[in-house]
Amino acid sequence: EDQVTQSPEALRLQEGESSSLNCSYTVSGLRGLFWYRQDPGKGPEFLFTLYSAGEEKEKERLKATLTKKESFLHITAPKPEDSATYLCAVQAGADSSYKLIFGSGTRLLVRP
Amino acid sequence: DTEVTQTPKHLVMGMTNKKSLKCEQHMGHRAMYWYKQKAKKPPELMFVYSYEKLSINESVPSRFSPECPNSSLLNLHLHALQPEDSALYLCASSPKDWYRGGTATTTTAFFGQGTRLTVV
Repeated sequence: EDQVTQSPEALRLQEGESSSLNCSYTVSGLRGLFWYRQDPGKGPEFLFTLYSAGEEKEKERLKATLTKKESFLHITAPKPEDSATYLCAVQAGADSSYKLIFGSGTRLLVRP
Repeated sequence: DTEVTQTPKHLVMGMTNKKSLKCEQHMGHRAMYWYKQKAKKPPELMFVYSYEKLSINESVPSRFSPECPNSSLLNLHLHALQPEDSALYLCASSPKDWYRGGTATTTTAFFGQGTRLTVV
């Protein structure tokens, strides 16, 4: 069964303290992996699309990487405004490929 | 522009009411989606429309009725809901859906800000 697992569930950082969020997946055929940021009560905001092992993408303080089994979202020198829930989603290459399989998210809190 | 607009932002309705949620995008996307999200949970897929036709219904109760009047609009009609249907309802769109040969880039979904629905 296709599965997406995110860790940790929650992460508290001091402003400027860099860290990484993990998204591991077991799917029948990866077609794409997506990272979203979600603020409370709002819709997910698209961050990155990755689709091949070794791929990396960056946006401001965020960098996403992809291997054959997992993806990392690295946050460099985070600021309080980076506090949000970060969702990972995978699109698999089987009959269910028409939908995104979401992980449960990592709730990030950055303290000033 | 990657904007998906949902109205209303908040909705309170009684169990005997009929209401509708609206979603609009002007990015030329041909796949549109309805998701339901409960607090501290990931979004759950409800419906997929591809080229204005319903292609996926994830066994959603008939009290939820989707409609796609044209390629830019998506509605969700609500009738006789239950308190447990209270949630954040999200609309999303992508250039293509996977069945029509989409790649990871062309199937990237962009979400609206959601409608917070409370059933009383």
